[in-house]
Amino acid sequence: AQKVTQAQTEISVVEKEDVTLDCVYETRDTTYYLFWYKQPPSGELVFLIRRNSFDEQNEISGRYSWNFQKSTSSFNFTITASQVVDSAVYFCALSEEQTGANNLFFGTGTRLTVIP
Amino acid sequence: DAGVIQSPRHEVTEMGQEVTLRCKPISGHDYLFWYRQTMMRGLELLIYFNNNVPIDDSGMPEDRFSAKMPNASFSTLKIQPSEPRDSAVYFCASRISSGGANQYFGAGTRLSVL
Repeated sequence: AQKVTQAQTEISVVEKEDVTLDCVYETRDTTYYLFWYKQPPSGELVFLIRRNSFDEQNEISGRYSWNFQKSTSSFNFTITASQVVDSAVYFCALSEEQTGANNLFFGTGTRLTVIP
Repeated sequence: DAGVIQSPRHEVTEMGQEVTLRCKPISGHDYLFWYRQTMMRGLELLIYFNNNVPIDDSGMPEDRFSAKMPNASFSTLKIQPSEPRDSAVYFCASRISSGGANQYFGAGTRLSVL
């Protein structure tokens, strides 16, 4: 079974619009970690955020914000006032303490295109 | 602080040739990971090392793939012989040993096997 599901394959928005990228995860572990990575057209993987399962506090970093809800097993990512530079593929990932938190299970990614 | 360094960035080779991908992790990181990214399978873990020792190689697709970490600052992923289906982007990542710590990725090596 897929541990991380990103149901949105592609999203297009017009610049300055807000956009939310969905991530739903599945685990039986009580201790786990959730991540978001950005892969711009240049191809590298850029770390954005890490959250552990005991910290449900939402986080805001500039135009980026993350909503972690254990009740729905979701860890959604919102970009406010999107910009063309936000165009990239965004990956949500999960690691589980029971496997030493070493294997990162990635979702299939959401390709975000911000149209000027 | 230098990040994870991978070389080469691009590699084009012919089927049957040996390919060696290289990775230098971030200094002080004691975990090193090799991933492969393809359109069909997405990002998948191939193998990881802890303190230079291979811990889990269950993701290595077949015997043609091998990985080594002779010291804390260098690792290789070798494919011999290479096949067209090995064409992918190969990422190396490293992290510290703290539980659930973030993995820092290199820029990747784009491999094309003709």
